[in-house]
Amino acid sequence: EAQVTQNPRYLITVTGKKLTVTCSQNMNHEYMSWYRQDPGLGLRQIYYSMNVEVTDKGDVPEGYKVSRKEKRNFPLILESPSPNQTSLYFCASSFWGANTGELFFGEGSRLTVL
Amino acid sequence: AQKVTQAQTEISVVEKEDVTLDCVYETRDTTYYLFWYKQPPSGELVFLIRRNSFDEQNEISGRYSWNFQKSTSSFNFTITASQVVDSAVYFCALSGRNSGYALNFGKGTSLLVTP
Repeated sequence: EAQVTQNPRYLITVTGKKLTVTCSQNMNHEYMSWYRQDPGLGLRQIYYSMNVEVTDKGDVPEGYKVSRKEKRNFPLILESPSPNQTSLYFCASSFWGANTGELFFGEGSRLTVL
Repeated sequence: AQKVTQAQTEISVVEKEDVTLDCVYETRDTTYYLFWYKQPPSGELVFLIRRNSFDEQNEISGRYSWNFQKSTSSFNFTITASQVVDSAVYFCALSGRNSGYALNFGKGTSLLVTP
């Protein structure tokens, strides 16, 4: 089954404790991206990657890091989480980018930073 | 800069009513793509439609229809004979040639369909 898998789905952590949200896709997609969703703000892009070892900032990259060492994986790293990073996070993938077709989204990861 | 505006924050209708969700966009790109996504209460994002800027034909899929008008920069979504299962947040999104492969989402319209 074609899917984008995120883990963990739910996480409560404390300020400053490094965490990683994993994202994996099994569709051989070149393009992967992270979004955060906040009430009243819709979805905003954090980072995206056009291919292995190629990443770029989205609209709200501050406080986040990503890496793309393998085509299927695109982890989101919060080196020192802060309460303003409490949000619902979505990973997404597609063949060539948002322009060219459907973005497949993961089920979301709800993060709370105390 | 690109921008998507969904002016309706919340809409409530009674089952079987028709409802239209508005989407107005701004872009300087001549080539761009418009999308609608549905987010049901379970939280996942479901792709509904993608339309490129060169294709202004309206589209119908079952009870769903989309009206794309470049003259007014709008891409409105109509649900005919709404059902309770249509209750969700609906997002309009825009991606342009110069947008860095990002989808710019509107803030969403929350649709509640009551029996």
